[in-house]
Amino acid sequence: DVKVTQSSRYLVKRTGEKVFLECVQDMDHENMFWYRQDPGLGLRLIYFSYDVKMKEKGDIPEGYSVSREKKERFSLILESASTNQTSMYLCASSPPQDNSPLHFGNGTRLTVT
Amino acid sequence: AQKITQTQPGMFVQEKEAVTLDCTYDTSDPSYGLFWYKQPSSGEMIFLIYQGSYDQQNATEGRYSLNFQKARKSANLVISASQLGDSAMYFCAMREFPGGKLIFGQGTELSVKP
Repeated sequence: DVKVTQSSRYLVKRTGEKVFLECVQDMDHENMFWYRQDPGLGLRLIYFSYDVKMKEKGDIPEGYSVSREKKERFSLILESASTNQTSMYLCASSPPQDNSPLHFGNGTRLTVT
Repeated sequence: AQKITQTQPGMFVQEKEAVTLDCTYDTSDPSYGLFWYKQPSSGEMIFLIYQGSYDQQNATEGRYSLNFQKARKSANLVISASQLGDSAMYFCAMREFPGGKLIFGQGTELSVKP
């Protein structure tokens, strides 16, 4: 079974802090994704990556950056956390084929106070 | 631009009955795929079913089937013989081919009543 592991289930940070959300997958997938989930808005794509050191902006990249130095790891960085970044963050991975479903981690619920 | 819409924020169904969750989409691309995911209260996202735009038949996976109406741009999920464990959020998603982003609808919260 594909396993996508997010390092924290719950995280509480203060406004202005630099926040790292880590994600690791064990199935050698080329593609990795970061989404945020908010009630009534569904999942919105922040950033994605098709290969090591490659990154593409999703629909809501403002305030975020990413890093993919190794194939299995995709990190989401909040350079200066703000209260409007309080949300559930979901990492996912998939093979390169377009019809392949995404495999998700269990999510990180981030609260910024 | 591609867009996915789920117009039912919440739905109730009686146990053992069938239920249809609506999903409409908008795209100008002739090649795309549609996905449905289930998210129980535990938060994990579970892939349910996939339909390609060129697939001739509607997709089925056990109790899940997809009512795909290409001309109407709808891809409704049908769950037959509902079970209490089907209570969850359900998300419809679409990806344009090749290499498009997977975008999600707003979700529908399904509650199955005993």
